[in-house]
Amino acid sequence: DAGVIQSPRHEVTEMGQEVTLRCKPISGHNSLFWYRQTMMRGLELLIYFNNNVPIDDSGMPEDRFSAKMPNASFSTLKIQPSEPRDSAVYFCASSFLGSYEQYFGPGTRLTVT
Amino acid sequence: QKEVEQNSGPLSVPEGAIASLNCTYSDRVSQSFFWYRQYSGKSPELIMSIYSNGDKEDGRFTAQLNKASQYVSLLIRDSQPSDSATYLCAVLGGGADGLTFGKGTHLIIQP
Repeated sequence: DAGVIQSPRHEVTEMGQEVTLRCKPISGHNSLFWYRQTMMRGLELLIYFNNNVPIDDSGMPEDRFSAKMPNASFSTLKIQPSEPRDSAVYFCASSFLGSYEQYFGPGTRLTVT
Repeated sequence: QKEVEQNSGPLSVPEGAIASLNCTYSDRVSQSFFWYRQYSGKSPELIMSIYSNGDKEDGRFTAQLNKASQYVSLLIRDSQPSDSATYLCAVLGGGADGLTFGKGTHLIIQP
């Protein structure tokens, strides 16, 4: 079975540009999570969805960040405008609702110059 | 503010010995606990979950949970060089689905 798929794997952009990260969860999983990992702050939960509905976005750092899940097979995390401090690895994870065992995608390494 | 604390290491263990990794958490209502392994440049990989007090064994791995002390640990028996990685402790709080992660312990198994 395919695992969680993320694209792009690497993104380099200039400050002020819009960045869109994409995620396809494991087929059948109905919970999806976006995390960000940095050396300073470790792995932090940004937002998660159950059955395509955003449940908790308290981890989203600013209004520049937004996330959508238009269907069970696709989610996006958008940063507009991007800033150098947004540079990090962004992970998407998925699970069955209520199972709590989350499986991570390979991540997107974002560099904002 | 939920917190999960781990010693960052590095923790150096000779090959074949037992590696012991520890984690404490602040939220008393936490119900579920997980250990993830992360190799450098890779994504976290789930290796163990534990939900009740006591020990849970899976192959060379044993997870231990003590809710009264708010403490969870991971033991790796017969450590192998391939076990060298960062181990992340993750906690699921009551009424929430998102995990709170510790910053991880860097484990080095010396051949």
